[in-house]
Amino acid sequence: GESVGLHLPTLSVQEGDNSIINCAYSNSASDYFIWYKQESGKGPQFIIDIRSNMDKRQGQRVTVLLNKTVKHLSLQIAATQPGDSAVYFCAEKSYAGNMLTFGGGTRLMVKP
Amino acid sequence: DTGVSQDPRHKITKRGQNVTFRCDPISEHNRLYWYRQTLGQGPEFLTYFQNEAQLEKSRLLSDRFSAERPKGSFSTLEIQRTEQGDSAMYLCASSSQGTSHTEAFFGQGTRLTVV
Repeated sequence: GESVGLHLPTLSVQEGDNSIINCAYSNSASDYFIWYKQESGKGPQFIIDIRSNMDKRQGQRVTVLLNKTVKHLSLQIAATQPGDSAVYFCAEKSYAGNMLTFGGGTRLMVKP
Repeated sequence: DTGVSQDPRHKITKRGQNVTFRCDPISEHNRLYWYRQTLGQGPEFLTYFQNEAQLEKSRLLSDRFSAERPKGSFSTLEIQRTEQGDSAMYLCASSSQGTSHTEAFFGQGTRLTVV
């Protein structure tokens, strides 16, 4: 069936560098795409979302890019900090439904 | 209000036993969701409530699973005759109909281990 997935299972970056986490999706009917951060022992935490009619949205130190042509989503984290170390999930939601469909996650490790 | 609260945080049970988990959503949120998460995977949707009405159920929610939200506030998820394959983290989330429904707030989850 249609699904949301990630290219890289683990990403290791130096503190202060920028991080880019990628995600591929296949459901063209998705209306929203969302990034969640999950730290060990905690539930997922909302970071940022983007509606399907947008191609870029910025938050505090984070930017989400959406390329509908190739069905690709990315999360950019500027000046990565040790506190950014976590597993990051992309998820999608269709306008008609209420559930989120998650991908498999990318672990971000920040080296001091 | 400190967010979505789940109880217990951890549960170890023998195969064949029944277990029940509780979720207390953020007080003004009328939407409540249950998800299941296995190690290294993203959460998988189980079911959704709007107030006390259960509006969506995943095919993952077999007949051994039942969820309720009797007064439109807290919710319970019961698993009957547990199997080893039920071992997972069970996550509850809530959101308000008046805000972006992508911004669901998750609890810390109940980790179930079936031995």
